[in-house]
Amino acid sequence: DIVMTQSPDSLAVSLGERATINCKSSQSVLYNSNNKNYFAWYQQKPGQPPKLLINWASTRESGVPDRFSGSGSGTDFTLTISSLQAEDVAVYYCQQHYTSPPTFGQGTKLEIK
Amino acid sequence: QVQLVQSGAVVKKPGASVKLSCKASGYTFTTYFIHWVRHAPGQGLECLGVIDPTGGSTTYAQRFQGRVTMTRDTSTNTVYMELSSLRPDDTAVYYCARGNNGDSFDYWGQGTLVTVSS
Repeated sequence: DIVMTQSPDSLAVSLGERATINCKSSQSVLYNSNNKNYFAWYQQKPGQPPKLLINWASTRESGVPDRFSGSGSGTDFTLTISSLQAEDVAVYYCQQHYTSPPTFGQGTKLEIK
Repeated sequence: QVQLVQSGAVVKKPGASVKLSCKASGYTFTTYFIHWVRHAPGQGLECLGVIDPTGGSTTYAQRFQGRVTMTRDTSTNTVYMELSSLRPDDTAVYYCARGNNGDSFDYWGQGTLVTVSS
């Protein structure tokens, strides 16, 4: 199975400041024939299921605020929240859906400083 | 609107089996696979396997092979996941989620808490 490793495990950022979460996969999730990274970011708030934020490494899902952005390719990816809002407090997970079974990172807990 | 509605919380004893349901609505049931994902306390998200509602074919994660069975009922648009030989470390919230092969999971059920305790 592909191992996904996130950093940091937790992060405290002031309101209005930038938050950056990294994820590294143990092998490339870039499919060369279509140049797509089979990689996603999810947000999970307490008592709720995960919510898909970004797919194909950088495509925001409909309704996701544009302060959320994803970047990276191959094995190294980043989720950036440009200006942290109170409602962004959550645990964030990366996922590869390149091979079966899909696997997730261990999660990064984002809090307000 | 797309909805995945799961069955309610259960408590089971070690060694027992549990069968959870996930009822889909708001889309054509046979056009998307359904995955099962669990979230144990203090742990990350873990996939148990996936079912194709069209023909019922399944793929299970290796560590659950022999313990998990996924089935579907196309007359009620419902997918089932049975986990046997339960252990205390199977205590988790179990989610169903929609997503085709090679795709992310765009809709999730609300989750079912399974507690395994003597």
